Amino acid sequence: SQQGEEDPQALSIQEGENATMNCSYKTSINNLQWYRQNSGRGLVHLILIRSNEREKHSGRLRVTLDTSKKSSSLLITASRAADTASYFCATDPIYNTDKLIFGTGTRLQVFP
Amino acid sequence: SQTIHQWPATLVQPVGSPLSLECTVEGTSNPNLYWYRQAAGRGLQLLFYSVGIGQISSEVPQNLSASRPQDRQFILSSKKLLLSDSGFYLCAWSPGNYGYTFGSGTRLTVV
Repeated sequence: SQQGEEDPQALSIQEGENATMNCSYKTSINNLQWYRQNSGRGLVHLILIRSNEREKHSGRLRVTLDTSKKSSSLLITASRAADTASYFCATDPIYNTDKLIFGTGTRLQVFP
Repeated sequence: SQTIHQWPATLVQPVGSPLSLECTVEGTSNPNLYWYRQAAGRGLQLLFYSVGIGQISSEVPQNLSASRPQDRQFILSSKKLLLSDSGFYLCAWSPGNYGYTFGSGTRLTVV
């Protein structure tokens, strides 16, 4: 399967703690993106990091990319109950720029 | 601004019945359009994508088909639904691979 893998599959933390999710992928990419999905809803684009970038920030989000290891991480700092959702990474493969390959997702539960 | 509309939100259909899910995009032209299916608690499976009118790429063999009769309209169809077609169907658009915008999804239950 070309699908990316994310770990952990599920993560439970308390409000105020940091949450780290990891994504591994298999092919060379142009960019990697992270999405969030609230239960029963569509996905929302969070952040994009290009293959020539190593780190990117957006508010409480910090994304890193290691193309040599074909891996990325998403860090959510000072988590809130409202951050409870599933988070997916998606890669834009060099071999086909018309579609993204989504990971399996991490279910994050933040307890108040 | 660009918006994407997907309907209906929920659908219960008997086995063997036809299916038609519609997705439309506003505020952009020549978008890439996508249909995904998501099983409960699982990742997204790309079903079809289209980079232009009449251009459909199928990702997996299945009981479904897709059409793009207009630039900003993407339709997912089936002539006879199977139980295994149940799932959460998501439509998305993008100007390229620089961030997808998803619709709100259709929960399909085949009974």
